[in-house]
Amino acid sequence: QQQVKQSPQSLIVQKGGIPIINCAYENTAFDYFPWYQQFPGKGPALLIAIRPDVSEKKEGRFTISFNKSAKQFSLHIMDSQPGDSATYFCAAVQGNTPLVFGKGTRLSVIA
Amino acid sequence: EAEVAQSPRYKITEKSQAVAFWCDPISGHATLYWYRQILGQGPELLVQFQDESVVDDSQLPKDRFSAERLKGVDSTLKIQPAELGDSAMYLCASSSSANEKLFFGSGTQLSVL
Repeated sequence: QQQVKQSPQSLIVQKGGIPIINCAYENTAFDYFPWYQQFPGKGPALLIAIRPDVSEKKEGRFTISFNKSAKQFSLHIMDSQPGDSATYFCAAVQGNTPLVFGKGTRLSVIA
Repeated sequence: EAEVAQSPRYKITEKSQAVAFWCDPISGHATLYWYRQILGQGPELLVQFQDESVVDDSQLPKDRFSAERLKGVDSTLKIQPAELGDSAMYLCASSSSANEKLFFGSGTQLSVL
């Protein structure tokens, strides 16, 4: 059973565009929601994370929007660049239980 | 910047053979994880260690997989015998405490022929 549903599976945007990746969850006990970025041949790297007591978090060009009532959260990449082309994974965790990853979104930013 | 070291980078083996992967976490990180990532999927946890103790191995196929972290530092993941369906990327990660920021290694890409 997939606990975190991520969409879209792939995304192509023009340089400067704002790709948006969405995730939905069912378990209301989740208390930490990180996003990981993975380049080909590399392991995932933590990009940004949010806890459910805030509705938005910004770090540089990356923003997480969190909707607790809808049990959804999304990643926005402002002024996207070709170097942002990677696979992005949302994840969720409850306390010390294992991190659960979404299936990933392959983003391509074209010049 | 400190990194999680994994070896080998690639491994090709025939089914029914034994394979082993090694991981050296970031110094001082008490929590170590082994994940399996199938192409096009997100990582799935196989086993989690806190120091030398197994915290969670509920998704580890124990009939063929084993993992150890004897001195609470580096770790080895073994598969015996390997099956065709084991072909995947095996990722090691570490963190200073459970579920705080995970640092992943570059993984071992396993191909079982």
